[in-house]
Amino acid sequence: AQSVTQLGSHVSVSEGALVLLRCNYSSSVPPYLFWYVQYPNQGLQLLLKYTTGATLVKGINGFEAEFKKSETSFHLTKPSAHMSDAAEYFCAVALKAAGNKLTFGGGTRVLVKP
Amino acid sequence: GAGVSQTPSNKVTEKGKYVELRCDPISGHTALYWYRQSLGQGPEFLIYFQGTGAADDSGLPNDRFFAVRPEGSVSTLKIQRTERGDSAVYLCASSLNRVQGEQYFGPGTRLTVT
Repeated sequence: AQSVTQLGSHVSVSEGALVLLRCNYSSSVPPYLFWYVQYPNQGLQLLLKYTTGATLVKGINGFEAEFKKSETSFHLTKPSAHMSDAAEYFCAVALKAAGNKLTFGGGTRVLVKP
Repeated sequence: GAGVSQTPSNKVTEKGKYVELRCDPISGHTALYWYRQSLGQGPEFLIYFQGTGAADDSGLPNDRFFAVRPEGSVSTLKIQRTERGDSAVYLCASSLNRVQGEQYFGPGTRLTVT
């Protein structure tokens, strides 16, 4: 079975500062990896995903993540935070052999200070 | 194009009552997933369908929960004898097929059991 750990349930950053959200996973086989964002009272929106190939993945809204197999990590970054980045972020893993059902981390709520 | 839609957006019911939650996936998507998100937590997998059949229902918490997708499109999640612990946001997602990993989420149904 796979699992996901997101370090830090809340992160506060200043506008213009680096955003770093940490995600570590456990899986018996190489998984697919995802980051989703959830704005208040809205559904989950895919930011980016890693399936195969290049380990540095670029997503929407200036976010990117790097898959590091040796560290079983898939941390999310954005060089410069914007007020509109305030939301909750979820890291998730899926196994192709398991029908790609997603296993989510507990989420990290991002607060952006002006 | 139209995304995943879920109805109702909010449902308040009394303990012991029966409820149905509906999901309309993106047209042409053969895979459909249900997740449950409790307050302050990440979504948890409940069940997924490939076509009309439930391919994996390992996440359903007990036999009070079941779901159907009779024509391979719309799905209904049914909860019998609701309990206060069933209160959560129920999320539906669809994907083109179970191999293609990207899932598109609906806005969710917030269920409150009083």
